[in-house]
Amino acid sequence: DAGVTQSPTHLIKTRGQQVTLRCSPKSGHDTVSWYQQALGQGPQFIFQYYEEEERQRGNFPDRFSGHQFPNYSSELNVNALLLGDSALYLCASSLAWRGGEETQYFGPGTRLLVL
Amino acid sequence: GNSVTQMEGPVTLSEEAFLTINCTYTATGYPSLFWYVQYPGEGLQLLLKATKADDKGSNKGFEATYRKETTSFHLEKGSVQVSDSAVYFCALSGHDNFNKFYFGSGTKLNVKP
Repeated sequence: DAGVTQSPTHLIKTRGQQVTLRCSPKSGHDTVSWYQQALGQGPQFIFQYYEEEERQRGNFPDRFSGHQFPNYSSELNVNALLLGDSALYLCASSLAWRGGEETQYFGPGTRLLVL
Repeated sequence: GNSVTQMEGPVTLSEEAFLTINCTYTATGYPSLFWYVQYPGEGLQLLLKATKADDKGSNKGFEATYRKETTSFHLEKGSVQVSDSAVYFCALSGHDNFNKFYFGSGTKLNVKP
């Protein structure tokens, strides 16, 4: 059973550029959440996708956008990159929340460096 | 609102020592609580979880008890190994907003032989 996969593993961009990160959820999962983890910090919630729509959003600017495909995989797009966007970007998959606890399973992350 | 506070690290222990990493939380409603572990260069792995008050989560010798009266979920292990060296994150799941997770800032554990 494949776990959560992310691509690419590492990425180097320059300020002002745009980047797309990809995530495939764990088999059987239909919900994808994205987190940003700055160096030495805990993950911060960016947004969550379910049924191809953004269901929840954290305190991130509109430069951060996403998409979910019919096969439940997801993309995170960041426009107009800033130096402060350098971080580890984590994707987590889960089953849709239906009033109970739904554990999130994390991928290995994509490390983005903005120069 | 929801938040998690962890003890600051790094925590340095000798092999076979007793480990405690403190975690307290603030939450609306009745969250689920989690401990995740992150090894160098990797993503987060679920270590254990507890879904309601007085539940004890356990895995690989680690334990944590969901204490509603003290809003705590401290991680413990009776005898640490060098291979336990990693960063540990306490997290809560906010059931009031579609299972959004809130993480603490992490506690780095170094175990020396």
